[in-house]
Amino acid sequence: EAGVVQSPRYKIIEKKQPVAFWCNPISGHNTLYWYRQNLGQGPELLIRYENEEAVDDSQLPKDRFSAERLKGVDSTLKIQPAELGDSAVYLCASSLDQGGSSYNSPLHFGNGTRLTVT
Amino acid sequence: DAKTTQPNSMESNEEEPVHLPCNHSTISGTDYIHWYRQLPSQGPEYVIHGLTSNVNNRMASLAIAEDRKSSTLILHRATLRDAAVYYCIAHGGTSYGKLTFGQGTILTVHP
Repeated sequence: EAGVVQSPRYKIIEKKQPVAFWCNPISGHNTLYWYRQNLGQGPELLIRYENEEAVDDSQLPKDRFSAERLKGVDSTLKIQPAELGDSAVYLCASSLDQGGSSYNSPLHFGNGTRLTVT
Repeated sequence: DAKTTQPNSMESNEEEPVHLPCNHSTISGTDYIHWYRQLPSQGPEYVIHGLTSNVNNRMASLAIAEDRKSSTLILHRATLRDAAVYYCIAHGGTSYGKLTFGQGTILTVHP
């Protein structure tokens, strides 16, 4: 099966500029995640979608970050305006949660978008 | 997710078995133990997971202690491609749908 596809792979922007990341999950996966990974740290969840509904966005900085998942498939994560501290790798993942249980469902990650804010 | 503790780093030689330990002493009875690994410049990759019994798949084996307070990921014959950061996650409870990654163990494989 094709994996999770993310684009762009790299992005360099100046602070205060907007930026958007795109994710195409594995076909048929109902749950989609956006994680952020700072250098030398493990990934941290930003937002989780079940189909097209954002069911956990408690970690998303809502003043500058937004996300959408149209038709419950592809997703876009946006930052506006970007700050220096937003430099990180943004990872998208998807899973097939059967029977409403995520504890037993492996996540499949894309290779991420490395954002550098100068 | 329950807190997990892993060594910061481990080393192995190619073609030798590797045992990566993880302590999760506060794990609850319904928490699954997940292992992921992350190769350089890639996203995390699912390795294996289990609840109570030992588990095997084509990538690795997962040995879970009888009291479930610790587990060990076993790579039967390490290859250079296995050099990665390995994350152990005890997933359950109020963290539904949210894997909490720690610092992980950096595995170095020597030729």
